[in-house]
Amino acid sequence: GAVVSQHPSWVICKSGTSVKIECRSLDFQATTMFWYRQFPKQSLMLMATSNEGSKATYEQGVEKDKFLINHASLTLSTLTVTSAHPEDSSFYICSARGLQDRFDYGYTFGSGTRLTVV
Amino acid sequence: SQQGEEDPQALSIQEGENATMNCSYKTSINNLQWYRQNSGRGLVHLILIRSNEREKHSGRLRVTLDTSKKSSSLLITASRAADTASYFCATDALTGANNLFFGTGTRLTVIP
Repeated sequence: GAVVSQHPSWVICKSGTSVKIECRSLDFQATTMFWYRQFPKQSLMLMATSNEGSKATYEQGVEKDKFLINHASLTLSTLTVTSAHPEDSSFYICSARGLQDRFDYGYTFGSGTRLTVV
Repeated sequence: SQQGEEDPQALSIQEGENATMNCSYKTSINNLQWYRQNSGRGLVHLILIRSNEREKHSGRLRVTLDTSKKSSSLLITASRAADTASYFCATDALTGANNLFFGTGTRLTVIP
């Protein structure tokens, strides 16, 4: 089955620094990747959608200059939280959707990254 | 917002009982999916029901879909302590955005 690898699984950083989170599709080509944010005991909120080779589409209220998304290849998307602040502390989850040999892999989720900004 | 709503927000039952969670959504859909999330972990896909299906089973899971009411339910039969988790419905919209919209989630606690 389709597997999406996300790392790191957790990271602690100092306020003002930047953190990069990687999301890789291991056995299929992800034409589209999604980044979600989840606060404790809340649902997943879509932050942005990225298509390989093009700029990401951000949801309303998400600062594109703060949450930089790069989808340079069909198997890798990265989310960089720039100049992180404590309010950016959250659980970030990526999802990938793609086709391989005409098989639709649907949506496959990474295991998430717990970001704590101190 | 296209986010769906689920009820109840929290549910606590005894092991062996059945658990029912409901999901309502706002747009026309291709399909509706149910996911499970253990605390602080990623999502596990449970079951997908297409817009032209009304009921689907998978092991102890039973999902129904009523597109006229824009609602779905997830029934877990003979619950186990290991079923304790948060459960989310997610809709794959028929038109527009190419992404899933998640419901607010139900936190299920199964007491041994």
